[in-house]
Amino acid sequence: AQRVTQPEKLLSVFKGAPVELKCNYSYSGSPELFWYVQYSRQRLQLLLRHISRESIKGFTADLNKGETSFHLKKPFAQEEDSAMYYCALGLGGSNYKLTFGKGTLLTVNP
Amino acid sequence: DTAVSQTPKYLVTQMGNDKSIKCEQNLGHDTMYWYKQDSKKFLKIMFSYNNKELIINETVPNRFSPKSPDKAHLNLHINSLELGDSAVYFCASSQEKAFSSYNEQFFGPGTRLTVL
Repeated sequence: AQRVTQPEKLLSVFKGAPVELKCNYSYSGSPELFWYVQYSRQRLQLLLRHISRESIKGFTADLNKGETSFHLKKPFAQEEDSAMYYCALGLGGSNYKLTFGKGTLLTVNP
Repeated sequence: DTAVSQTPKYLVTQMGNDKSIKCEQNLGHDTMYWYKQDSKKFLKIMFSYNNKELIINETVPNRFSPKSPDKAHLNLHINSLELGDSAVYFCASSQEKAFSSYNEQFFGPGTRLTVL
């Protein structure tokens, strides 16, 4: 069965420090991986997806199939990055659904 | 102008009551979802509907009954509410293409349900 693991429930860094939010997945097929973010009092929204290989708000995430990981990274954290981050695995086909990790609460201190 | 909207935003009720949460999307999407976010912020899918048809039911108690009058609406009705139903419920929608990696789900603002 598919599973998404985010080992860190809480992560606290100082402004300007690098940040890495870990995500590991377990799925035997070709994964579709996403990072969603929920800022305080806002709705959950897509941050980035592995297929696009894009950088959004300075964040990047590389799919490592060998390590079955999709870690989210940013070289210099900003206070406005403080939020709840969810890694998600999308399963395609007619019964498409997202399986979310338990989330990591990132706090960027001034 | 909101893409995915939910009502009410907050819902406080007594155990045993029946309540409904409404969701509407104006994005023209075919697929809609309900998620439950518990007190530990764990987000879990409950249901998905595609063009008014139930696609996914993730072993949710049958006290929960989704209803989709049309593809723009997916309402959640909960019978005989229990303390453990207290959570934030999120509606979402997407326009999936099978085997596409560009699927993005758009979430509503959430409904915080408190059962006393």
